[in-house]
Amino acid sequence: GAVVSQHPSRVICKSGTSVKIECRSLDFQATTMFWYRQFPKQSLMLMATSNEGSKATYEQGVEKDKFLINHASLTLSTLTVTSAHPEDSSFYICSARERGSYNEQFFGPGTRLTVL
Amino acid sequence: GENVEQHPSTLSVQEGDSAVIKCTYSDSASNYFPWYKQELGKRPQLIIDIRSNVGEKKDQRIAVTLNKTAKHFSLHITETQPEDSAVYFCAASMGAGNKLTFGGGTRVLVKP
Repeated sequence: GAVVSQHPSRVICKSGTSVKIECRSLDFQATTMFWYRQFPKQSLMLMATSNEGSKATYEQGVEKDKFLINHASLTLSTLTVTSAHPEDSSFYICSARERGSYNEQFFGPGTRLTVL
Repeated sequence: GENVEQHPSTLSVQEGDSAVIKCTYSDSASNYFPWYKQELGKRPQLIIDIRSNVGEKKDQRIAVTLNKTAKHFSLHITETQPEDSAVYFCAASMGAGNKLTFGGGTRVLVKP
């Protein structure tokens, strides 16, 4: 159990376009989802925390108007990178915490974004 | 906020030897400490975790120790195998649904 999927797994886009990444909990209800960004050979940096039905909480330095997060249901959260630029190229990973779970987060497989 | 430091950044061991990775955290309110293994291009996988009411936890070849007074915790891998080669991350959380703060990662290479 506790499977998290992400779509797409890989996306290449032109500079200035917007890209939407989906994160789904397949076999459990996720009251909280987290979005991370990971640059090559670096650690996971939390971008925002998303609670179902409420606005996301962004970490310091993360532009909320550039990285739009929606958590409309207990199984789906989306991250939209608006007006993407080459410096936004990164590995984006979501994680989800099951309703009633105290701590453990289950990670999605990640989305590799390349902005040309 | 919480700050987690992890050492070493790279670790090369001979197959069969032990590997130890150490992390320190800054916020004494943190009470949940997971360790993740990440292979290249893949998702982080939880390998073991420990809560602040426990000093040590073991699962086969993997063990984690926690020293709350010193605010540090360590991952121990015994009898290392080539498939243990990966990047390992420690993390800390204040529990009750709070976010994880990750260490910088340790790249472990097990040489056959």
